[in-house]
Amino acid sequence: GENVEQHPSTLSVQEGDSAVIKCTYSDSASNYFPWYKQELGKGPQLIIDIRSNVGEKKDQRIAVTLNKTAKHFSLHITETQPEDSAVYFCAAKAPPGANSKLTFGKGITLSVRP
Amino acid sequence: NAGVTQTPKFQVLKTGQSMTLQCAQDMNHNSMYWYRQDPGMGLRLIYYSASEGTTDKGEVPNGYNVSRLNKREFSLRLESAAPSQTSVYFCASSSHGTSVSDTQYFGPGTRLTVL
Repeated sequence: GENVEQHPSTLSVQEGDSAVIKCTYSDSASNYFPWYKQELGKGPQLIIDIRSNVGEKKDQRIAVTLNKTAKHFSLHITETQPEDSAVYFCAAKAPPGANSKLTFGKGITLSVRP
Repeated sequence: NAGVTQTPKFQVLKTGQSMTLQCAQDMNHNSMYWYRQDPGMGLRLIYYSASEGTTDKGEVPNGYNVSRLNKREFSLRLESAAPSQTSVYFCASSSHGTSVSDTQYFGPGTRLTVL
């Protein structure tokens, strides 16, 4: 089955700097890659996603890039703010079928220092 | 529109006790899911229900049972709780789990401690 890995497990940046979080996946058939943000004491919430027919997608201060050849995708946050501090999960999903479920990475804790 | 709701928010059990975690969604979604979240392990799928009347095992189903009571409700039951089931449990729902880009919406979670 699919295996999604995130490295490192924690990331600390200064407010205003950029943060980049990287994920790799194992199943070359996966074609949907969402990113979820989890604030303390809450459930994960989708912040951006990308499909495999697109190389990059932006939404204000966040962007996601996908490299299908290398099987990795990254979340980019520019002009970080303290409210960006959270746990971020990447995930991958294969095309519709019997085994088409979201597989999550273990998560990365982002801390934005004021 | 409350989204996905879960009850209870917190629960402490003794080893061997049973309990049911409740989940309901008001978004008319077809698919529902139960995950557990443990430190350093991310989110792991326990069971899911692609549509009303169907349930399937996920990655870590042992020790759990589920019931898709109707389109809105999906419950998770621990028949004989064990300390290894201490975790935070999340319920999620999506419009059509079999579609490609199908956003999952998560509830606030249930923190379960088994002594």
